[in-house]
Amino acid sequence: EPEVTQTPSHQVTQMGQEVILRCVPISNHLYFYWYRQILGQKVEFLVSFYNNEISEKSEIFDDQFSVERPDGSNFTLKIRSTKLEDSAMYFCASSRTGTYGYTFGSGTRLTVV
Amino acid sequence: GQQLNQSPQSMFIQEGEDVSMNCTSSSIFNTWLWYKQDPGEGPVLLIALYKAGELTSNGRLTAQFGITRKDSFLNISASIPSDVGIYFCAGLGRAGANSKLTFGKGITLSVRP
Repeated sequence: EPEVTQTPSHQVTQMGQEVILRCVPISNHLYFYWYRQILGQKVEFLVSFYNNEISEKSEIFDDQFSVERPDGSNFTLKIRSTKLEDSAMYFCASSRTGTYGYTFGSGTRLTVV
Repeated sequence: GQQLNQSPQSMFIQEGEDVSMNCTSSSIFNTWLWYKQDPGEGPVLLIALYKAGELTSNGRLTAQFGITRKDSFLNISASIPSDVGIYFCAGLGRAGANSKLTFGKGITLSVRP
């Protein structure tokens, strides 16, 4: 079964540092997403990406966040200057059509100290 | 913004029992999805519902998409210990490029052997 792969599984960073979270979506999927889950809370939408551009972003996705699809297989989330409140699980997801096959990766646990 | 309501927060059942979980919304969703999340993992899709009134089964799981498109339920029959986890409903308002998922807060299911 095709999978969405995320690396690293855990990342610890100092406040103010930049982090890049990496994702390899399912190969024939066209829509890509980042979600976040603060410990014990619900999963929240951050950003959707289609046709090499952001199609929608939430209020959480401020100027400190950016996404990129640098090549045909990777999809990255960059946080420029991390804050303590950025500590969360970050999930990448991809979908074939924007509706069907909406699949999540196992997540990256980001801890900002 | 759109919100999905799941309650109660936790459910405790005996192995072998059936359990039903509801999800309601004040907004219409065009697709309803049910996910299960194990600790430290990403959400795993259980059932997807694409049409109002649709009833879909996946093994011991049955889910229905409400006629009003504002609610859905998930039934688990003959529960087993590995059913333990957090069950999230998620709604998809629009297909295509802006296809973000809105998640409920989740129900934590415990199964006593």
